[in-house]
Amino acid sequence: QQQVKQSPQSLIVQKGGISIINCAYENTAFDYFPWYQQFPGKGPALLIAIRPDVSEKKEGRFTISFNKSAKQFSLHIMDSQPGDSATYFCAARSGTYKYIFGTGTRLKVLA
Amino acid sequence: NAGVTQTPKFQVLKTGQSMTLQCAQDMNHEYMSWYRQDPGMGLRLIHYSVGAGITDQGEVPNGYNVSRSTTEDFPLRLLSAAPSQTSVYFCASSPRASGRERYNEQFFGPGTRLTVL
Repeated sequence: QQQVKQSPQSLIVQKGGISIINCAYENTAFDYFPWYQQFPGKGPALLIAIRPDVSEKKEGRFTISFNKSAKQFSLHIMDSQPGDSATYFCAARSGTYKYIFGTGTRLKVLA
Repeated sequence: NAGVTQTPKFQVLKTGQSMTLQCAQDMNHEYMSWYRQDPGMGLRLIHYSVGAGITDQGEVPNGYNVSRSTTEDFPLRLLSAAPSQTSVYFCASSPRASGRERYNEQFFGPGTRLTVL
């Protein structure tokens, strides 16, 4: 049972454009929402994360927007670059250390 | 620090064979976990451990065993491999939760690609 729904499955953006990936969750007990970036042949790496008491978190070109009432959160990549081409996963933490991941979004940024 | 290491990188098994995927971390992290990654399914938690001697099941534990005798090591055992266990397996570790902003950051290993024929 998938508790974190991620969309879109794939995304193509022009260089300099904004990439937006969305996630929705059901379990209101989730208390931490990270985004991971994964390059081919590598393990995922933490990109940015947010707690549910914050509505927005920005780190460089990456921003998480969090809507607690709608149970949705999204990743925005500003000024997207070809080097951002990767697969992005949202996740939600349940309990001390149990994470539920979204199904992933394959982003391609065209030069 | 080597971070999280996994061996082997690739493995091919026949149905019914057993094997152990190795995972080690040198960051003195308390939390460790195993995930499998399948196309269109994201990462799914198999088992996790919150410290030496303590393990628990994740979303998809059937067919897998784990143990945690030391802080550093967290091996994953396939008792009788099945084609449905063909996947890429990732081990991850994390420090105990703290007040830092990137708290509970999980560090992933490079993965093991397993094929069961």
